[in-house]
Amino acid sequence: AQSVTQPDIHITVSEGASLELRCNYSYGATPYLFWYVQSPGQGLQLLLKYFSGDTLVQGIKGFEAEFKRSQSSFNLRKPSVHWSDAAEYFCAVGAGGAQKLVFGQGTRLTINP
Amino acid sequence: SQTIHQWPATLVQPVGSPLSLECTVEGTSNPNLYWYRQAAGRGLQLLFYSVGIGQISSEVPQNLSASRPQDRQFILSSKKLLLSDSGFYLCAWKHSQETQYFGPGTRLLVL
Repeated sequence: AQSVTQPDIHITVSEGASLELRCNYSYGATPYLFWYVQSPGQGLQLLLKYFSGDTLVQGIKGFEAEFKRSQSSFNLRKPSVHWSDAAEYFCAVGAGGAQKLVFGQGTRLTINP
Repeated sequence: SQTIHQWPATLVQPVGSPLSLECTVEGTSNPNLYWYRQAAGRGLQLLFYSVGIGQISSEVPQNLSASRPQDRQFILSSKKLLLSDSGFYLCAWKHSQETQYFGPGTRLLVL
């Protein structure tokens, strides 16, 4: 069965610092991979996605992610975080014919001023 | 462009009461539709998905049911709510581009 692990439940970084959120997946075939962001009380917004091709994917708000098949990872990065990046971040893998999404438990990001 | 609506935004219901949450999508046809639940401090759990009118697949056995009476309408229901039904309910749609897009969510509190 497909699964996604986000090892860090909560991360705190200073504004302007770099960020890396970890995501590991388990899937038998070539995965469709996604990162979503959720502000408190809101729905999920797509940051970026990987289907095939270039393993370094650029997304919105200055985020990028790198697909590493050998490590079954799809880590999210940002070179310099802003206070507005404080939110919950979810990694997901697309699975099944209807492309059901399996989500990780999420990583809550706090930004120190 | 496509938009997805959910209502109500917030709902407080007593235990044992019925439930009906609605999700509608505009600007597309024949989408796949999904209901997720997010419990406090937890990830998202897929409850139901639908690939067409009247076609519902359930992912977990529970107190809830779903229906799709129209192409772009997806309804989540319960005959008798439990305390454990409290949570944040998210609807999503997907078309051929393989990406799911989420609605704003409904916060349900069962007392």
